[in-house]
Amino acid sequence: ILNVEQSPQSLHVQEGDSTNFTCSFPSSNFYALHWYRWETAKSPEALFVMTLNGDEKKKGRISATLNTKEGYSYLYIKGSQPEDSATYLCEAAGGTSYGKLTFGQGTILTVHP
Amino acid sequence: EPEVTQTPSHQVTQMGQEVILRCVPISNHLYFYWYRQILGQKVEFLVSFYNNEISEKSEIFDDQFSVERPDGSNFTLKIRSTKLEDSAMYFCASSSFATDTQYFGPGTRLTVL
Repeated sequence: ILNVEQSPQSLHVQEGDSTNFTCSFPSSNFYALHWYRWETAKSPEALFVMTLNGDEKKKGRISATLNTKEGYSYLYIKGSQPEDSATYLCEAAGGTSYGKLTFGQGTILTVHP
Repeated sequence: EPEVTQTPSHQVTQMGQEVILRCVPISNHLYFYWYRQILGQKVEFLVSFYNNEISEKSEIFDDQFSVERPDGSNFTLKIRSTKLEDSAMYFCASSSFATDTQYFGPGTRLTVL
């Protein structure tokens, strides 16, 4: 099992603030990193999948970067809105094969109006 | 837009009974996954499936669990003799290829009494 850690565990920000959180994973035998947004009572929604060192992905106000050499990914949200409130999960594929998938414990983001 | 569907949405069963959770992945996807989330804990990978066989499985996926793609559209998870600790939300997901974006179903809440 990969050791995938996310920090912080939870985050409270004001509407309009920009924020970021981290996912760290073992840098050896890495295949891919997924970010998901998970709202209560819904299923995880894919945000990004990244595979290459230095990858940067962007979707609206949300972006992510990947550093496979040091084993971390950042997720950034610019100008947070209340509807961004959710749990943000990262999932790493790696270890013995691409099929071994491990989620981090998630970062719970609450955006206050 | 194609989506992953799961049935039933909620299954209640007695300890020791067999349950089958059903998923219909997105039709042109080739990789299929089962995850579970025990209440209050993080999402855990159970198994990945490709080309009619298991690609990877976690330590959780013991002999009590099995998966099948019986007819080219359904993807099922069977728990042979349910235990109390099997109570969880079970998510199915599918992707086009191994490291691609995974699309999650809405989940089946399994309650073992």
